[in-house]
Amino acid sequence: NAGVTQTPKFQVLKTGQSMTLQCAQDMNHEYMSWYRQDPGMGLRLIHYSVGAGITDQGEVPNGYNVSRSTTEDFPLRLLSAAPSQTSVYFCASRPRGVQNQNTEAFFGQGTRLTVV
Amino acid sequence: AQKITQTQPGMFVQEKEAVTLDCTYDTSDQSYGLFWYKQPSSGEMIFLIYQGSYDEQNATEGRYSLNFQKARKSANLVISASQLGDSAMYFCAMRDGNNRLAFGKGNQVVVIP
Repeated sequence: NAGVTQTPKFQVLKTGQSMTLQCAQDMNHEYMSWYRQDPGMGLRLIHYSVGAGITDQGEVPNGYNVSRSTTEDFPLRLLSAAPSQTSVYFCASRPRGVQNQNTEAFFGQGTRLTVV
Repeated sequence: AQKITQTQPGMFVQEKEAVTLDCTYDTSDQSYGLFWYKQPSSGEMIFLIYQGSYDEQNATEGRYSLNFQKARKSANLVISASQLGDSAMYFCAMRDGNNRLAFGKGNQVVVIP
């Protein structure tokens, strides 16, 4: 079972460069999300999607773009990397579920990004 | 905006003892879900336990139980009979009525032999 696959695992960027973090899931989950994790801040929601063609902003969306052309893929694009975007990025997916149902999120292994 | 609060500093717990991790939340939604995740030093996020807002009984999963007090908006995690492998960061999370999943800042637990 592949689950949620994130690539790359590590990346170093120079300020101003752009790149795309890839996320793919093979569980046919409707919901997918991107989080960033910084020391002492927990996981903060960047963008999320409730299905193909639908995306919305989370808590910290500035500097990031997303698209959801298929159910399986949810790439995160850094348009012009800044040192403040140095972080660990997690992609997560979960099923829609019904009211009150446990819809646990499945996480990728994370991408450690450093912007110099 | 929803808010999840975990305020305890790093905790040391003796092996085989129980530990309680506090989590309070703020929401105006009637339907929501509460989750606890474990993040060991290796970095992966591991789902532990779930409590739905309409569940009348506290959730349990093995050594994990969730003390759900809806009126107080608290969802504390209890780990019984701590093991060395329980040393990790623990995150409380809430799924709101718009199906967004938001996390608290986490509690660090260190189990000592």
